[in-house]
Amino acid sequence: GAVVSQHPSRVICNSGTSVKIECRSLDFQATTMFWYRQFPKQSLMLMATSNEGSKATYEQGVEKDKFLINHASLTLSTLTVTSAHPEDSSFYICSARGDRMGAFFGQGTRLTVV
Amino acid sequence: EDQVTQSPEALRLQEGESSSLNCSYTVSGLRGLFWYRQDPGKGPEFLFTLYSAGEEKEKERLKATLTKKESFLHITAPKPEDSATYLCAVHPGGSYIPTFGRGTSLIVHP
Repeated sequence: GAVVSQHPSRVICNSGTSVKIECRSLDFQATTMFWYRQFPKQSLMLMATSNEGSKATYEQGVEKDKFLINHASLTLSTLTVTSAHPEDSSFYICSARGDRMGAFFGQGTRLTVV
Repeated sequence: EDQVTQSPEALRLQEGESSSLNCSYTVSGLRGLFWYRQDPGKGPEFLFTLYSAGEEKEKERLKATLTKKESFLHITAPKPEDSATYLCAVHPGGSYIPTFGRGTSLIVHP
């Protein structure tokens, strides 16, 4: 199957700092990438959808100035959590799909804001 | 509105005890139905894609089937390493944004 690499897998940061998470499709061109947030024992909550070269579409209730998404190329999307607070601590997962493909997921990033 | 309902929420099996997980869906046109496995602290791992009613896919102890209203993930003679949360998602027609169910948490006891 297709491979999606997400980095870092874990990050601890101080309140007020920004954290960048990368999502790369290693063996296919990702025309669409998705960013999810997952709370313990909950299903995936879609945050935003991005297509290469265009602005991300955010789900209702997700602050676009807080969660900056850049999909600059067909193999890379980034999620930057700006001015992080403890309530932003969560498990963030990206997924990517190419033409005529289902979505494949990255390994996830555990963000802890202290 | 597209909906995906998975049942049961949690399932405990003894090793070797076969069972099935259900994914019922309501969607305006089905572009595809996907099954994933998720282990704690990891991203979902792709298992199967089903596109049309009557289609079946198999992988080791897992078999996925699809009808016009639901999909089943059959687990034959499960082992403890099959313990995980199994997620079902549908891609509705006209959209590539998947709708996920809440998952079934499976625990297989040795």
